Amino acid sequence: DIQMTQSPSSLSASVGDRVTITCRASQGIGNDLGWYQQKPGKAPKRLIYAASSLHSGVPSRFSGSGSGTEFTLTISSLQPEDFATYYCLQYNTNPSTFGQGTKLEIK
Amino acid sequence: EVQLVESGGGLVQPGGSLRLSCAASGFTFSSDWMSWVRQAPGKGLEWVAKINQHGSEKYYVDSVKGRFTISRDNAKNSVYLQMNSLRAEDTAVYYCARYQGLGYWGQGTLVTVSS
Repeated sequence: DIQMTQSPSSLSASVGDRVTITCRASQGIGNDLGWYQQKPGKAPKRLIYAASSLHSGVPSRFSGSGSGTEFTLTISSLQPEDFATYYCLQYNTNPSTFGQGTKLEIK
Repeated sequence: EVQLVESGGGLVQPGGSLRLSCAASGFTFSSDWMSWVRQAPGKGLEWVAKINQHGSEKYYVDSVKGRFTISRDNAKNSVYLQMNSLRAEDTAVYYCARYQGLGYWGQGTLVTVSS
């Protein structure tokens, strides 16, 4: 199975900060990667698909980049509603696998 | 508007069975892959299974192979997860999602395996 190593596992930041979360795949996955946001008690929501495409309705402060084995999610200017847990997912090779998550907290 | 509504969760004893359903609306259900994902209490997300548009391709995470079966009924716009030989470690919220890339999610249904 492809392992997705996500870092950091937790992050403290302030409103207005620029934040980057990284996912590394144990083998190449092309650009078959998505990023998801989950708030407590709620279902996850997709932010990014195909590594860098913004899901419909997602604010433009979210962006994704990378291909092959290294991927990043960037939030350009943190807003109060962005404090949540973020996950990456590779869907290139079965079984699909998630990163372990990054909990973004208010500093 | 895309809507996915899961049902069928509940409390079941170890070794028991449960069938989850996911009713879809707001899109052409028969055109898309569908997936199931679960999340154990306080843990991260785990992809469980997916099925192609016609039901001819099915894939599972190793931990559920031979115990869980994904299926779909395009006439009813529904996808199912039959779960047999349930274990305590299967306790989780189960979500259905549209696409292999999990573009849209339901609200989830809780499965608790306990005696």
